[in-house]
Parts: sequence; structure tokens; C-alpha cells
Amino acid sequence: EAGVTQFPSHSVIEKGQTVTLRCDPISGHDNLYWYRRVMGKEIKFLLHFVKESKQDESGMPNNRFLAERTGGTYSTLKVQPAELEDSGVYFCASSRTRQGSTEAFFGQGTRLTVV
Amino acid sequence: AQSVTQLDSQVPVFEEAPVELRCNYSSSVSVYLFWYVQYPNQGLQLLLKYLSGSTLVESINGFEAEFNKSQTSFHLRKPSVHISDTAEYFCAAFNTGGFKTIFGAGTRLFVKA
Repeated sequence: EAGVTQFPSHSVIEKGQTVTLRCDPISGHDNLYWYRRVMGKEIKFLLHFVKESKQDESGMPNNRFLAERTGGTYSTLKVQPAELEDSGVYFCASSRTRQGSTEAFFGQGTRLTVV
Repeated sequence: AQSVTQLDSQVPVFEEAPVELRCNYSSSVSVYLFWYVQYPNQGLQLLLKYLSGSTLVESINGFEAEFNKSQTSFHLRKPSVHISDTAEYFCAAFNTGGFKTIFGAGTRLFVKA
């Protein structure tokens, strides 16, 4: 069984540019989560999809971030325009049921550097 | 508000020595507790979890953690570490009243020969 896959693994962009991160969850997992880790700080929740619907997006930092999950399969996280403070590692996770009642599987993360 | 505190940002230890990585949580409701590990250049992996029942939980590679409700702690221990245990370890709590996982800031474990 393939794990959670994230693309790209690294991205370096200039301030003001747009970047789109992609997450392919494990097949059959309805729940998909995005998290972010800014350098040296804790991993913070961004949002949670159940299939194609946003269940909780309370962790999204501002309206420069847009997450979608068309068809309830893969998800994208777009940052437009990117700012320096957006640099960090973005993790995606998926689970069959609500996270905590079963294991959540994490991807390798996308390391975003905004210069 | 729910929070997770990892008391040590870095823990250097010699190979075959014991290690304890400390974690405290705060929550007004019941929580599930997890330890995740991130090896260099890899993603997050679940190491062990406490959902209910026995307060002592173990992983397949010799780590164990004990849920202590009175001290609100979930410290991770291993009696004898290996070089291959060098990684960053994250303590996390899932609030059963909601559906978000809260992570600690992480502890970098360095195992030296």
C-alpha cells in the first residue's frame, strides 16, 4: 500500500510568487489534514478535509492560503502571494476515520523556502 | 486550551545509555497521546500511542511511554539507545472533544558512539 505522497519535496520561491503544494493521501482515506512547521517551532494544524469538504480550517494563517480537495482524492495547498514567514515544512496526513481514533499517516513533507 | 510541552529541545546521549524524552500536556477534556518520530530526510512516523487501558505503551523498537494522568505527562523512554535512534521526536495530543492533533515543539535525540 502506497503511503501519503507529497510534491514537491523542496521548493524555493521568491517573495510574491505563487506556490502550489500537492498531497496524495492513502487510497480510501476520507480524512486529509495539512500541518505546517515553521523553523524550530511546533507542528501546527492548518486544516482538515473529510472527503472534498473542509471540516475545519481554523488553523489557516490568512487568506493567502487556499486549500482544495477536488473529488475527495488529492489535495492542493496554494500560497499566493508567498511571504518570507511562510517558509517551513508543510506536512500532509490522512486517516480512515477521525484522527486519534486510529493512526494518521504522514507524508514526508514539503520544505518551502521563500527568499 | 490544549497544549503540549516538550521540555528538552535537544538530548545528546551515548550509545547503549538509557534515555527519557519528557512531554507534558494540558487539556480540559480527555486526550489521546502520541509520540511521532522523524528520521533524517523522512516523514513523520507514529512511534506509539495511548488511547485507553494500560497506561504503559510500547513500540516495536524498544521505546515505551507511560501515561500519568495526575502529572499530565507522557514521557518516552528507552533503556538502551542505538545510533539509529538519532531522530527528532514529537509528542502530540488529540483532543477527544475536537478533531485536531496538537504537537509539541520536538526533541532532537543525538546518539553518539
